[in-house]
Amino acid sequence: DVKVTQSSRYLVKRTGEKVFLECVQDMDHENMFWYRQDPGLGLRLIYFSYDVKMKEKGDIPEGYSVSREKKERFSLILESASTNQTSMYLCASRTGGPAGELFFGEGSRLTVL
Amino acid sequence: GQNIDQPTEMTATEGAIVQINCTYQTSGFNGLFWYQQHAGEAPTFLSYNVLDGLEEKGRFSSFLSRSKGYSYLLLKELQMKDSASYLCAVRAFSGGGADGLTFGKGTHLIIQP
Repeated sequence: DVKVTQSSRYLVKRTGEKVFLECVQDMDHENMFWYRQDPGLGLRLIYFSYDVKMKEKGDIPEGYSVSREKKERFSLILESASTNQTSMYLCASRTGGPAGELFFGEGSRLTVL
Repeated sequence: GQNIDQPTEMTATEGAIVQINCTYQTSGFNGLFWYQQHAGEAPTFLSYNVLDGLEEKGRFSSFLSRSKGYSYLLLKELQMKDSASYLCAVRAFSGGGADGLTFGKGTHLIIQP
């Protein structure tokens, strides 16, 4: 069974803190993604990676960075958390090719106070 | 850029049929996906269309017309467990982070007894 695991389901952080969100997949997928989901705005792509040490900006990369040191692990980093980064963060992965569907993790709900 | 529109909310009756429409504008179209998302859970894959026509999978069917930029998801024999949000997503060669998906805001489907 395919599995995308996010390290934390719920986090509460303070403004200015550095935040790490970890994601691990066990399907040997080349592509990994970070989305955020907000009411009324839907899912928006932050960053994605198509190979180890490779990364590409999505639609809303400002305030975020990512790291992919190993194929199975993709980390999202908030260098200095702000209240407008309070959101549900979803990690996803997929194999190559246009038909490959995304497999999502359970999500990490981040609250920044 | 890409633009994806779908109704915000729909209500249907248990045992009935419902059609959820999605219109999109994109360049370099490379496939359309439907996902189901129950409250508090991750999205799960329902269907994929890249060619015009109808794809049937049990109680769920998805239709695509590339010339019209239009898709629908058809749910038959509705069950209470079908109450969820349904997300339309488009893959484009140069959109959604090049290899990611761009999602619509989702349609919240309410099933009434």
